Amino acid sequence: DQQVKQNSPSLSVQEGRISILNCDYTNSMFDYFLWYKKYPAEGPTFLISISSIKDKNEDGRFTVFLNKSAKHLSLHIVPSQPGDSAVYFCADLQQAGTALIFGKGTTLSVSS
Amino acid sequence: NAGVMQNPRHLVRRRGQEARLRCSPMKGHSHVYWYRQLPEEGLKFMVYLQKENIIDESGMPKERFSAEFPKEGPSILRIQQVVRGDSAAYFCASSPDSLQRGYTFGSGTRLTVV
Repeated sequence: DQQVKQNSPSLSVQEGRISILNCDYTNSMFDYFLWYKKYPAEGPTFLISISSIKDKNEDGRFTVFLNKSAKHLSLHIVPSQPGDSAVYFCADLQQAGTALIFGKGTTLSVSS
Repeated sequence: NAGVMQNPRHLVRRRGQEARLRCSPMKGHSHVYWYRQLPEEGLKFMVYLQKENIIDESGMPKERFSAEFPKEGPSILRIQQVVRGDSAAYFCASSPDSLQRGYTFGSGTRLTVV
């Protein structure tokens, strides 16, 4: 049973517009969530995170929103740039855990 | 200031052979994690090690797979008698302490079993 779900395998956006990537989770309230970005033939790179005690975290063009009642988080990228084209993974770090639980990823394509 | 180094980048093995994947953590990092990514899947946790200790191996297959992180040298993920289903990208990550937030991944080893 998937604990972290990214239901959209792909997303296409025009340069300058907003990209919204979504993620649903099934575990407890006290988790910690991370977004990773991955280019082909490279390892995932940490992008931004959010603690379950917050509902928003912002870092430059990247903002993550957490809706605890819906067990849903989203990553907003604005404005989107062609260099943002990559696979984005949502990951869940459970409070007592040592492992990240990853979603299957969403491939973002930003066209110029 | 090198990041997490994995080698080889690509490894081809025939069925039944052994595969050894190496990971050198970032300088100052004493915690190592191995993940596997099968085609069209997300990364799946395999094992978490500290120097000379396996802390969590809940994601390791019960047979043929082993991992170590010796006092000196890199962490090794060893797969004995490889099968085609072992073909995947294997990623190593390291962190400086027990906080796993945003730990750093290597570029991975792509294992192909023919």
